[in-house]
Amino acid sequence: ELKVEQNPLFLSMQEGKNYTIYCNYSTTSDRLYWYRQDPGKSLESLFVLLSNGAVKQEGRLMASLDTKARLSTLHITAAVHDLSATYFCAVDESGGGADGLTFGKGTHLIIQP
Amino acid sequence: KAGVTQTPRYLIKTRGQQVTLSCSPISGHRSVSWYQQTPGQGLQFLFEYFSETQRNKGNFPGRFSGRQFSNSRSEMNVSTLELGDSALYLCASSLFGQGGGEKLFFGSGTQLSVL
Repeated sequence: ELKVEQNPLFLSMQEGKNYTIYCNYSTTSDRLYWYRQDPGKSLESLFVLLSNGAVKQEGRLMASLDTKARLSTLHITAAVHDLSATYFCAVDESGGGADGLTFGKGTHLIIQP
Repeated sequence: KAGVTQTPRYLIKTRGQQVTLSCSPISGHRSVSWYQQTPGQGLQFLFEYFSETQRNKGNFPGRFSGRQFSNSRSEMNVSTLELGDSALYLCASSLFGQGGGEKLFFGSGTQLSVL
């Protein structure tokens, strides 16, 4: 059974600081996704990482994938309050997507002004 | 371009009843997936439909079922509701579906409360 673990699960940080959210998964996969969810809202796709060494950046967020270590990171640079949300990573275990996406528990991020 | 539309937004039912939730995908998207989100279990995959066929199914009991119509709209049904079925049900659409390395576009969800 595929397991996806995120840490930390809760993070409170100040504006202007840098931090990294980690996503470990338990089986071979080269398809990893990051989503953002605001309170009471739906999920918004942030990044799709499809190969070992993939790195994608959007604004103050940068995601990377190391398939050998079964690890993805979401790095936040110079955080701003608008980035407060819950961030989920998700893994597609098989190429055929037979089991759907397996999501981590989410990292609840609060950025204090 | 309109996003993924889910109706109703909120629903209150009692144990033993059944419920039907609706999802209209983004125009042109042929894949619709359903996920259940609860505080305890997080996000869990229910099933995926592509061109009116159920392509994949998660680990949920047979009380959970779905279907997809020729216009790609999808419905999911939960029969004999239990308290534990209280959750946010999210629908997601994409062009080719899971496994294709595409991002999913999620609807706002239906919040189901079972009393």
